[in-house]
Amino acid sequence: SAVISQKPSRDICQRGTSLTIQCQVDSQVTMMFWYRQQPGQSLTLIATANQGSEATYESGFVIDKFPISRPNLTFSTLTVSNMSPEDSSIYLCSAGTSAGTEAFFGQGTRLTVV
Amino acid sequence: QQQVKQSPQSLIVQKGGISIINCAYENTAFDYFPWYQQFPGKGPALLIAIRPDVSEKKEGRFTISFNKSAKQFSLHIMDSQPGDSATYFCAASGGQAFGNEKLTFGTGTRLTIIP
Repeated sequence: SAVISQKPSRDICQRGTSLTIQCQVDSQVTMMFWYRQQPGQSLTLIATANQGSEATYESGFVIDKFPISRPNLTFSTLTVSNMSPEDSSIYLCSAGTSAGTEAFFGQGTRLTVV
Repeated sequence: QQQVKQSPQSLIVQKGGISIINCAYENTAFDYFPWYQQFPGKGPALLIAIRPDVSEKKEGRFTISFNKSAKQFSLHIMDSQPGDSATYFCAASGGQAFGNEKLTFGTGTRLTIIP
């Protein structure tokens, strides 16, 4: 199994500012995924981060708003830029094992924009 | 993203009873169907998963039933316990290397087990 650590676990930010969320996996993984979970809602995929290439964004999400870095096989960051209250959500990092049998999730970053 | 429809939105079951959550999907390319359990303040944790080459998979008190022709699958929790109270998400993905494919999630079911 893989252990995924996210930082920060929660933050309260002013509108117009940016927050970078870090995701660290305890083993090398090919792909990492960033999801958003709005309060009481399901998980929506923001983007897929493959090491060594540009992240692939889902419909409705753009790189200028959610820039992603993937500098190596164990680490990724998601930045939420120019935040507004609508960005208040839980942001979750996910990664698969090298055996491709399970997707693990971090504990999430609870973001509140005021 | 292709949809995965989940019902009910919330479910209250008496301790010792059977909890049943249903999901339906549209994309026939999906070939992996996991269920996740999420407690407040935590990330989702894999509970049990199935591939469409079998119609049922059982792990302890948790069973997935899968109907490929109807494009439906369900989670059954036998002898439900208060510790099972959580939000449950079904999900689906396509491709052989699951874990390296993105997940499409259902809308979630908030399960409450009452004494």
